[in-house]
Amino acid sequence: AQRVTQPEKLLSVFKGAPVELKCNYSYSGSPELFWYVQYSRQRLQLLLRHISRESIKGFTADLNKGETSFHLKKPFAQEEDSAMYYCALLRQGGKLIFGQGTELSVKP
Amino acid sequence: EAGVVQSPRYKIIEKKQPVAFWCNPISGHNTLYWYLQNLGQGPELLIRYENEEAVDDSQLPKDRFSAERLKGVDSTLKIQPAELGDSAVYLCASSLVGGQYTGELFFGEGSRLTVL
Repeated sequence: AQRVTQPEKLLSVFKGAPVELKCNYSYSGSPELFWYVQYSRQRLQLLLRHISRESIKGFTADLNKGETSFHLKKPFAQEEDSAMYYCALLRQGGKLIFGQGTELSVKP
Repeated sequence: EAGVVQSPRYKIIEKKQPVAFWCNPISGHNTLYWYLQNLGQGPELLIRYENEEAVDDSQLPKDRFSAERLKGVDSTLKIQPAELGDSAVYLCASSLVGGQYTGELFFGEGSRLTVL
């Protein structure tokens, strides 16, 4: 079955600390993976995609096919990073499957 | 650019009543999605349209849910009759698909349904 798993519902860190939001997937084909973010009172939006190998707002994510993971990382968390983060997998045919989400809370 | 527009933002109804949600996608976006988001969960796809055609409705509970996208622009999602378990946020999203899906969806603010 094609699935995205985010094992942590809540991740709480202090400002300036490193942060890693975990994402594991199961997919038989070649995966395309994404991170979406939802800030408080804002709509869900794309943060980054693995195929672009980009860094957005200091966040990066590396696809590890051996471990079937796509963890989101940032070396120094900021208070404005507090949000819900969703990992998503694009299936062949265009269906985007989301994980359950991780709430990141960055404390001052 | 207003983005994806959904209405109503909030709806409270009693069980067994009907309810409808409306979505206006970003101009020019040919693909439209309806997602269901239960509390504490990620969005789950209900139905996906390419222009007027529903290309993936396998997760839509067809006994009580229906959707349409007339003229390939606006879309309506209807529930009749509503049940207590339908309380959730209904998200609409759109994307521009030019032969290949990019995975970049633009979401609306959602319609929060409460069934009493």
